[in-house]
Amino acid sequence: NAGVTQTPKFRILKIGQSMTLQCTQDMNHNYMYWYRQDPGMGLKLIYYSVGAGITDKGEVPNGYNVSRSTTEDFPLRLELAAPSQTSVYFCASRPETIYGYTFGSGTRLTVV
Amino acid sequence: KQEVTQIPAALSVPEGENLVLNCSFTDSAIYNLQWFRQDPGKGLTSLLLIQSSQREQTSGRLNASLDKSSGRSTLYIAASQPGDSATYLCARTDSWGKLQFGAGTQVVVTP
Repeated sequence: NAGVTQTPKFRILKIGQSMTLQCTQDMNHNYMYWYRQDPGMGLKLIYYSVGAGITDKGEVPNGYNVSRSTTEDFPLRLELAAPSQTSVYFCASRPETIYGYTFGSGTRLTVV
Repeated sequence: KQEVTQIPAALSVPEGENLVLNCSFTDSAIYNLQWFRQDPGKGLTSLLLIQSSQREQTSGRLNASLDKSSGRSTLYIAASQPGDSATYLCARTDSWGKLQFGAGTQVVVTP
């Protein structure tokens, strides 16, 4: 029972590089979310998905892209990394009921 | 703009004392209010969810109340233990399940 798995756990990027943060869940949840957490701040929603093939922007989507080709996977793509994207990124999923969020352990990204 | 605020930002108490954590939100038309726990270097663990029609929820030593009219929720942790040391986050939920978080309260319980 893996829950929500995020890879990598840590990454250092140079300005202008690109990368994909992976998120996989094995609970057959339709709803998936990407949040970022800056130091001393709460989490902010980047993108979310209500099912395979359906995604929508959250509060802070600029500089990111997502796709949802399967129920299990919800990768987050960073294009042209900037220092402002230095953060901890969390993926989460939930079933149809509102309760029961499961969060991944996070990816700590530093852009230098 | 809808906001979620948590006060205090940090709290230190001796073991055995009761903890009171506050959360306020600007929009009383919330769908749900949730409390999470975050341990260093780890993800979030859901503690309690209060639906908008409810006034409180309890789980073991934890009790969370919700007052929509004043835009406030309070998390009470009875008889605190060192293992309760963590950051506690509250979040309001909209009908799509999107969470809007406060910045959290960092709690240290000293033996």
